[in-house]
Order: sequence, then structure tokens, then C-alpha cells
Amino acid sequence: GIQVEQSPPDLILQEGANSTLRCNFSDSVNNLQWFHQNPWGQLINLFYIPSGTKQNGRLSATTVATERYSLLYISSSQTTDSGVYFCAVEHTNFGNEKLTFGTGTRLTIIP
Amino acid sequence: DVKVTQSSRYLVKRTGEKVFLECVQDMDHENMFWYRQDPGLGLRLIYFSYDVKMKEKGDIPEGYSVSREKKERFSLILESASTNQTSMYLCASTHRGASYEQYFGPGTRLTVT
Repeated sequence: GIQVEQSPPDLILQEGANSTLRCNFSDSVNNLQWFHQNPWGQLINLFYIPSGTKQNGRLSATTVATERYSLLYISSSQTTDSGVYFCAVEHTNFGNEKLTFGTGTRLTIIP
Repeated sequence: DVKVTQSSRYLVKRTGEKVFLECVQDMDHENMFWYRQDPGLGLRLIYFSYDVKMKEKGDIPEGYSVSREKKERFSLILESASTNQTSMYLCASTHRGASYEQYFGPGTRLTVT
């Protein structure tokens, strides 16, 4: 199956700092999403971004499909950004609408 | 407002018990999924269903079964719970062809003692 790797596994930052989270995947995909899991466990979809760049407020994401990676940028971090960020992909040929998740990046924002 | 609900937030069961985890969605979604989440492993797919009475194995189906008798409800069954099934269980749903819009429930943290 397709492999999804995220880095770094853990990130601790001061409030106001910027951060970049990376997702590498091993094969072509027709769906890539970024999710945020809050400290209470709820997963929220941040971006659907199989290619190109999108921005939503302080968050933006870029996927370079030909090089099989995606980046999530968080600017001016706030304590509410804390949680785990997951990248998930649907394999182009074998996805069948199933998502394969990476192991996540745990982000902790210190006031 | 889109909603996926799960029957319990926290559940404690004994080894060998039969355990039912229920998931209900109110969005008329065709596809429903059960994942388990463990530290350092991310989310792993246990089973999914494309329609009523249809089910397919995910990546880690061993020790689990599922039931989908109605479109809105997808149940995960642990026939004989074991301690290695202690985990967070997450349910999700999407419309067919819309894997980019997957909605998750709040999760059930199951402890098997």
C-alpha cells in the first residue's frame, strides 16, 4: 500500500511563531487532505489539496504532486493551534475512496 | 449542521466481553468508516462500508466485525475483547465519490482490562 510519512513527529513553539509541517507520500494520489485533531479528539478537515496551494487565514498548504510531498504552514501560532496534525491521502489506483493517514505531527503552542 | 455521533465517549470493558460501538450520521452519506488511533501509528482503517449491508476489510480487520443494517448507522463489533484492542476508535462518513469531505465523530476511547 501507499506510505505516508510526516515530520517532525513533535513540535513545541512559542505563541506567535511560524511552523512548517511536512507530509511525504510514496505514490501518486488523487486526494490529499490535512486534518487537525484538537485536544478533545475531534478531527477537523483543514484542506483538500491534491495539488497546488491554498490559504485559509493563518494556515496555508502546498502540495507538489510530482515530487510527492505536501507542506502545511501555520503563521503567528496561537494556543488553539495545539493538537495533532494529520496528512491523509487516497491512492490514485487503489484508493477506492479510502484514506491512508500519516502518523501525525503533535504541535504544542506555549503561551 | 453536519453530524457524526458515536454512542460513547469512554468505555471500559473486560477481556472476553462482546463490545458494540455505534456510529450514526445524519447526512445521508453512502460511505462509512471505522478507524482506530494509537500513539505513534496515526489512524488505521479497520472496516468500511459503501452501502447498506455492504462491508469491506480495511488494513487491520482482525478481531473485529461490522454491521450496517441501515444507511445512517455503522456498528463495530469486538467479538471477544482483548487488551490489545484498547484504543481510540473513530467513525467517519462521506458521500460516494467525495472522499475529500470526510466527517469524523468525536471518538470512543475504549479500555479493555
